[in-house]
Amino acid sequence: NAGVTQTPKFRILKIGQSMTLQCTQDMNHNYMYWYRQDPGMGLKLIYYSVGAGITDKGEVPNGYNVSRSTTEDFPLRLELAAPSQTSVYFCASSATSAGANVLTFGAGSRLTVL
Amino acid sequence: RKEVEQDPGPFNVPEGATVAFNCTYSNSASQSFFWYRQDCRKEPKLLMSVYSSGNEDGRFTAQLNRASQYISLLIRDSKLSDSATYLCVVTLDSNYQLIWGAGTKLIIKP
Repeated sequence: NAGVTQTPKFRILKIGQSMTLQCTQDMNHNYMYWYRQDPGMGLKLIYYSVGAGITDKGEVPNGYNVSRSTTEDFPLRLELAAPSQTSVYFCASSATSAGANVLTFGAGSRLTVL
Repeated sequence: RKEVEQDPGPFNVPEGATVAFNCTYSNSASQSFFWYRQDCRKEPKLLMSVYSSGNEDGRFTAQLNRASQYISLLIRDSKLSDSATYLCVVTLDSNYQLIWGAGTKLIIKP
């Protein structure tokens, strides 16, 4: 049972480069989320999706884009990487919108922008 | 004032001791409360929910004080494996509106 799988685990980008963080879940969850976690800070919601074809902005969406073409996949796109996007990114999913008690997280993707 | 505040620590505690830490929240409309545990360089994992009447899970006890707007986590007979960062999470009434604290780092020493 894989749960939520994120790739890559680590990546170093140069300023201005683009990349996509991949997230796949095999639990048939409708809700998926992307968070970033900066040192000494709480998790911040970037984007979320309540089902295939439906996405919406979270607290810190600037500089990112997402798509949800299937229930399983929720990729996060960084178009023009900036040093401020250096962070650890977590993808999560949940079957319902009941709140934090049903979130399943991926192992995280550590991104450094130089 | 931050929406959810936690003492960052670290709390350095000898093995077998009891340790407690709090999390304060600013929005009185907050609906649900949780404690997550995060090991170094790992993803957060749910430790326990916090109910109005308080709840206990083995060595862990969580309590909610709505009047003073804080939740607490008590760990008894602490183990080396309890060393981690403990994240407080508060939800409002919408589906995705989860507010995360920055975490309290706990180090259990032998």
